[in-house]
Amino acid sequence: GAVVSQHPSRVICKSGTSVKIECRSLDFQATTMFWYRQFPKQSLMLMATSNEGSKATYEQGVEKDKFLINHASLTLSTLTVTSAHPEDSSFYICSARDRSGNSYEQYFGPGTRLTVT
Amino acid sequence: EDQVTQSPEALRLQEGESSSLNCSYTVSGLRGLFWYRQDPGKGPEFLFTLYSAGEEKEKERLKATLTKKESFLHITAPKPEDSATYLCAVGGADGLTFGKGTHLIIQP
Repeated sequence: GAVVSQHPSRVICKSGTSVKIECRSLDFQATTMFWYRQFPKQSLMLMATSNEGSKATYEQGVEKDKFLINHASLTLSTLTVTSAHPEDSSFYICSARDRSGNSYEQYFGPGTRLTVT
Repeated sequence: EDQVTQSPEALRLQEGESSSLNCSYTVSGLRGLFWYRQDPGKGPEFLFTLYSAGEEKEKERLKATLTKKESFLHITAPKPEDSATYLCAVGGADGLTFGKGTHLIIQP
């Protein structure tokens, strides 16, 4: 149980283009999903919190117009990196909380490696 | 602002050599402390959640403990497949704050 998938697992794009990353909870419903970014040899940094049916909440320093988040259903959240630049190259990981649980446990997806050339 | 510090940054052990990883934290109010395992190029895999001082949880060769200031992840008689980066995090409904992790290598 508690499986989270991400698609794609790896993407290479040219500078100035936009990239969409999908995050799905496969066997549970998630009212809240989170997006993290991880640079090489660094830990995960929370970018934003995605709530189903409402606007995402962004962490300080994260541009909401650059990182568009849509939480369209209880099992799907998408992150769109708009006008990507080489400095956006990173490992993007989503997580989800089970709405039926009482705990704060988050289950993570396998991550998406974004390379902007 | 929540802060998490993990030590050591890296640890190399022989197979069967038990040890402990440390996670020190500073929070305004502890909602939960979490341990994850992360393999290279993968997302974190959930291990444990601890909520109050004195709490302990076990899973196979791993045991997590919690005090008011820190948590320990004890690894008993580790095997090479336990090699990974172990991440500690604190947080709750509003997301997690992670430490930088301990990179653990178990040599056969």
